[in-house]
Amino acid sequence: ETGVTQTPRHLVMGMTNKKSLKCEQHLGHNAMYWYKQSAKKPLELMFVYSLEERVENNSVPSRFSPECPNSSHLFLHLHTLQPEDSALYLCASSQVPQGASTDTQYFGPGTRLTVL
Amino acid sequence: AQKITQTQPGMFVQEKEAVTLDCTYDTSDPSYGLFWYKQPSSGEMIFLIYQGSYDQQNATEGRYSLNFQKARKSANLVISASQLGDSAMYFCAMREGAVGAGSYQLTFGKGTKLSVIP
Repeated sequence: ETGVTQTPRHLVMGMTNKKSLKCEQHLGHNAMYWYKQSAKKPLELMFVYSLEERVENNSVPSRFSPECPNSSHLFLHLHTLQPEDSALYLCASSQVPQGASTDTQYFGPGTRLTVL
Repeated sequence: AQKITQTQPGMFVQEKEAVTLDCTYDTSDPSYGLFWYKQPSSGEMIFLIYQGSYDQQNATEGRYSLNFQKARKSANLVISASQLGDSAMYFCAMREGAVGAGSYQLTFGKGTKLSVIP
C-alpha cells in the first residue's frame, strides 16, 4: 500500500448505529487530519493529531470521536449520527518540519457516509 | 470575509488548450502557503502545486504553474495543454503562518469544476 488509505470507502448507517472510519498513512508523516466535505460547502477541518496528540478540535459535535493510536493510524468513531452528518470524510497526513520546506497535506480517497 | 475565494464555479476548456483557474486570498499574516488540489469524481484530493509567501519565483510542476501575484493576493492555477483527464474539481487552499510553527489549518475555497471538451 502506498500513500494514504481509508476504509471503508462507502458506509450507510442508521442514527442509532456505532461505526468507525479507519485511515492509514504509509508516508512516514507525523501529523494526521480528519476533514468533512459536505455538498456545496468548503472542506472543513475536524481534528488534527500531531505526534499522536490531538492539537486541534474545531468545534466538532461529541458524536464524532477521533483516536490516533500511533503516527500511522487514525480512526473516527461515529455514534448516534444525524442525517446532516452525511458527507465525504477525508483523512490526510503531512510532515510538520522544523524550519523551511513545505508541509503539504496528502489525502486519502475518502469515506462516503450516508446516515439514514 | 472569505479567506479563499474562487469566483468560477465552472469552467470549460478545449482539449490541448491552456486554462487559468482563479484564486484570491485574504490574510494579514506575512507567512503563508498556498496549495492547489484536484478532486476527480472518485473523491480523492490530489495535491498539485505549492507556493510559499516568500518564494521569489512562481511554482511549476509539469503542466501546472501557479501565477502568484502577491500584491493582488492572487494565486491562479494555470494548466497547459489540457487533457480529458483534467476534468475535475479544483480547490485552492491556504495555510496561515510559517511552516513548522504549529499552523495546521488549511482553509479551502469552494472549488471550480473544470470540464475539458474533446
